[in-house]
Amino acid sequence: GQNIDQPTEMTATEGAIVQINCTYQTSGFNGLFWYQQHAGEAPTFLSYNVLDGLEEKGRFSSFLSRSKGYSYLLLKELQMKDSASYLCAVREKQAGTALIFGKGTTLSVSS
Amino acid sequence: DSGVTQTPKHLITATGQRVTLRCSPRSGDLSVYWYQQSLDQGLQFLIQYYNGEERAKGNILERFSAQQFPDLHSELNLSSLELGDSALYFCASSVDPGDYEQYFGPGTRLTVT
Repeated sequence: GQNIDQPTEMTATEGAIVQINCTYQTSGFNGLFWYQQHAGEAPTFLSYNVLDGLEEKGRFSSFLSRSKGYSYLLLKELQMKDSASYLCAVREKQAGTALIFGKGTTLSVSS
Repeated sequence: DSGVTQTPKHLITATGQRVTLRCSPRSGDLSVYWYQQSLDQGLQFLIQYYNGEERAKGNILERFSAQQFPDLHSELNLSSLELGDSALYFCASSVDPGDYEQYFGPGTRLTVT
């Protein structure tokens, strides 16, 4: 089975940096993903980590520690358009390549 | 635009009815996934098909079934609908099961009254 926890809501201001944490408990870990989802729209892929460490992609970075069952998504130079839900998801070997999602963190960016 | 298409965009139906949701994956993608998103449960994996064969099953109810056709499009059939089945249903596709990125369609919003 799996359990994925992330904060329900976060707020930040434009230009700031925000870190969204995700903890997970799973057997047969086979990768951690972050998706962004604007209200009423489809999730879009942000990042993928399968080994420990930091992956950087522009303003977004994602970190993974497999031994701690922990990941975070770091968003820099926040913009109003970053207001969205951020979904942490894990892939388990025994579940094929399907993604098991957390309930998401709703980020509100204000000016 | 992810290249994944889903029809219809919206669907309103009554309890006890049956509906079919359709998904066309991105050109060249062999794997199709169905997810259900409701306010209280978040995004939940239902079922995966790869090149016409069922590959993995998640939290899919027995009242629900799916298939993937030779042209790789997929259909999700929901029967004996209940109020609690009201949700956004997303289809996603990837090139093959090892591909780490899944591309999501725009979803079908199902409302059961």
